[in-house]
Amino acid sequence: EAGVAQSPRYKIIEKRQSVAFWCNPISGHATLYWYQQILGQGPKLLIQFQNNGVVDDSQLPKDRFSAERLKGVDSTLKIQPAKLEDSAVYLCASSLGSTLHTDTQYFGPGTRLTVL
Amino acid sequence: GNSVTQMEGPVTLSEEAFLTINCTYTATGYPSLFWYVQYPGEGLQLLLKATKADDKGSNKGFEATYRKETTSFHLEKGSVQVSDSAVYFCALRAGANSKLTFGKGITLSVRP
Repeated sequence: EAGVAQSPRYKIIEKRQSVAFWCNPISGHATLYWYQQILGQGPKLLIQFQNNGVVDDSQLPKDRFSAERLKGVDSTLKIQPAKLEDSAVYLCASSLGSTLHTDTQYFGPGTRLTVL
Repeated sequence: GNSVTQMEGPVTLSEEAFLTINCTYTATGYPSLFWYVQYPGEGLQLLLKATKADDKGSNKGFEATYRKETTSFHLEKGSVQVSDSAVYFCALRAGANSKLTFGKGITLSVRP
């Protein structure tokens, strides 16, 4: 079974530029998550989708970050304009989407963003 | 709110040594608890989990017991190998939302 795919794996941009990340979840997984992992910290949830609807975006900096999940499958996360403090690894995860606490999240390899 | 506290790292051990990585949590209700591992150059992988008090999760020789009375979920392994070198994250999931709350992670290095 294919895992969660993300691209690109690495991205270097200058501040105030725009950047977009792409995620393809495991087939059949209804729930998709975007996490931000700053160096030396644990991942922090940015946004959670259930199919193509947003469940939780309380920690998404909406003035510069946006995300969408068209057709309830692939998702893109965009930053516009980027700031130095956005340098981090952006992780995508997916799960079946059951209400059980046993629902396991599977993570992609991440996209490492460096903002200069 | 929910939070996870992990012991400060990094940790360096010799092969076949005993490993303990401490994790404590604060949560409303009855969370599920997880250990994730991140090997060099790879994504996060679920190592083990426990969904209720006194449950023991185990995988690849690692174990952790859900202790409600001490709000802890310490990770242990009796004999570490070089291949266990990785970053280990403790996490919890509580309430109706399925999001994970992670600790800061700890880097384990095992030398031959």
